[in-house]
Amino acid sequence: DTAVSQTPKYLVTQMGNDKSIKCEQNLGHDTMYWYKQDSKKFLKIMFSYNNKELIINETVPNRFSPKSPDKAHLNLHINSLELGDSAVYFCASSQGQAAQYFGPGTRLTVL
Amino acid sequence: GESVGLHLPTLSVQEGDNSIINCAYSNSASDYFIWYKQESGKGPQFIIDIRSNMDKRQGQRVTVLLNKTVKHLSLQIAATQPGDSAVYFCAELSGGYQKVTFGTGTKLQVIP
Repeated sequence: DTAVSQTPKYLVTQMGNDKSIKCEQNLGHDTMYWYKQDSKKFLKIMFSYNNKELIINETVPNRFSPKSPDKAHLNLHINSLELGDSAVYFCASSQGQAAQYFGPGTRLTVL
Repeated sequence: GESVGLHLPTLSVQEGDNSIINCAYSNSASDYFIWYKQESGKGPQFIIDIRSNMDKRQGQRVTVLLNKTVKHLSLQIAATQPGDSAVYFCAELSGGYQKVTFGTGTKLQVIP
């Protein structure tokens, strides 16, 4: 009965490849997010979707493209991966103006 | 630019003592604040929140204090336990909660 789930948990890939991370929430929340956490544990919001509509798009390279097929899913596709993309990516969801529930994270390593 | 918190510090506390974790924020327009706990290998987990019309809120063993005058937020953990060992983040929300900024975190180490 995982609230927010992400797949895969670990992703190791070569520079220049394209990869996707999937996220699903079964909480019935309207808003979903993607965060990036670097090696120093700093968490930075990347995107936010509300009812499948993009509402936050921080300064993120356009190689990153979120896709929300329905309000329970927010996937993250990354083109032309770079070394600097290595990080842990967290999906989260919330109901309106409330605290967020985070997924377990996807550790991306770009070689 | 605006920032929340400091570079990741570490707080070591004896088991059973009280812990106080601090966070400084710089956006005076922020009106909602959240503390999260992140254990190793896991995602952040909600602990407690407070809105800007309050200066104190209590939960089970945790208390959050908000001082808007000096833009300071603190998390107090009573009778700290080994299971409290984690990295703690404060987050501030503004702009109708569309703008979310996390602090850099504090690592809490509980000494048995």
